[in-house]
Amino acid sequence: KQEVTQIPAALSVPEGENLVLNCSFTDSAIYNLQWFRQDPGKGLTSLLLIQSSQREQTSGRLNASLDKSSGRSTLYIAASQPGDSATYLCAVRPKAEGAQKLVFGQGTRLTINP
Amino acid sequence: DGGITQSPKYLFRKEGQNVTLSCEQNLNHDAMYWYRQDPGQGLRLIYYSQIVNDFQKGDIAEGYSVSREKKESFPLTVTSAQKNPTAFYLCASSPEGLAIYNEQFFGPGTRLTVL
Repeated sequence: KQEVTQIPAALSVPEGENLVLNCSFTDSAIYNLQWFRQDPGKGLTSLLLIQSSQREQTSGRLNASLDKSSGRSTLYIAASQPGDSATYLCAVRPKAEGAQKLVFGQGTRLTINP
Repeated sequence: DGGITQSPKYLFRKEGQNVTLSCEQNLNHDAMYWYRQDPGQGLRLIYYSQIVNDFQKGDIAEGYSVSREKKESFPLTVTSAQKNPTAFYLCASSPEGLAIYNEQFFGPGTRLTVL
């Protein structure tokens, strides 16, 4: 059964720093991996989608990489801002458990201090 | 504006009552999903629907029911059989039911509390 882990559970950094959030998954047989942002009490906002055949995707100050063979993905945030404070979730779409299912990690709660 | 709407934002239920959570999308997406989010846990799939008049159970379907009579609507009923329904419920949709490469987009959520 696919499992997704995000470490650390919480991270606090000063404004302006570049930072990396980590996501690992146990089964490399996936269709894609998606990164989301969630603000307190709100729904999820899709940030980046990486297909299994891709190595990375970029959107503005965000860059996500995927190493399927090692079961890892990273979300790189450049020049962090207080508005980046949120919980970041990664999710994989595993081949073995039905194409419609996303398996989520528990998230990393990020705080950017002014 | 295109998007997914969920109502109500907050819902309170007495024990033994059934309640229905609304999810509507105007994105013309074929597939719709219901997830449950609990503190300290990742999202878990309750039900999903690829096309109108068809839906499948997810990982935690017991105590829940759904219908898909219209493409844009996928209501979730939390029945009295659900033992611990207090949670944050999220509805999502994706462009094509069988297109495994497509992103899922989420609504703003409904917070259900059992009194």
